[in-house]
Amino acid sequence: QKEVEQNSGPLSVPEGAIASLNCTYSDRGSQSFFWYRQYSGKSPELIMSIYSNGDKEDGRFTAQLNKASQYVSLLIRDSQPSDSATYLCAVKSRAGNNRKLIWGLGTSLAVNP
Amino acid sequence: KAGVTQTPRYLIKTRGQQVTLSCSPISGHRSVSWYQQTPGQGLQFLFEYFSETQRNKGNFPGRFSGRQFSNSRSEMNVSTLELGDSALYLCASSLAQDRGAPLHFGNGTRLTVT
Repeated sequence: QKEVEQNSGPLSVPEGAIASLNCTYSDRGSQSFFWYRQYSGKSPELIMSIYSNGDKEDGRFTAQLNKASQYVSLLIRDSQPSDSATYLCAVKSRAGNNRKLIWGLGTSLAVNP
Repeated sequence: KAGVTQTPRYLIKTRGQQVTLSCSPISGHRSVSWYQQTPGQGLQFLFEYFSETQRNKGNFPGRFSGRQFSNSRSEMNVSTLELGDSALYLCASSLAQDRGAPLHFGNGTRLTVT
């Protein structure tokens, strides 16, 4: 089992719809969760970070964390063609000297005009 | 404020050679991490430096090494290159090591080993 798993996609949604991206992780002690967006040929950029169970909203983006079920999701409301990119889920392992980010392989999102 | 700068952008090397990649973090950032990105494996963590000390290391062979200088600039070295080392190498800096510090990535160095 991979430490951080995401559906590779592609996930295709029409413009204006809600895009739902999911990520599961294996380390129950994980404490920090991040969503990065990577456009083709570009570097990843941070969209959202979340640390506590529940929802966190930032503009059109909502991150949802459920530690009991070990999943974190990203909702994109009113999807735009400019949202078409690969979305990477990253999980930081538990506290200690060996904390590091573990990355999923990413979900490719295509928003169709 | 200037972003993370990686040089060179592209490199073509042959098997057995060695290569050094450079990364200049955002001014004031003391933490620098290196990643290898390939289509099949995604982002793989190489190592992390903070104040010239290696704090974390990924599961890469000893051919991969790095260092950080007093001005926070970092270099990564790969010796005895193999075809499988062909990848995009990304450097990321952050303000601190705490859980909330986001990573700021450079544009990467695309290494091709022939």
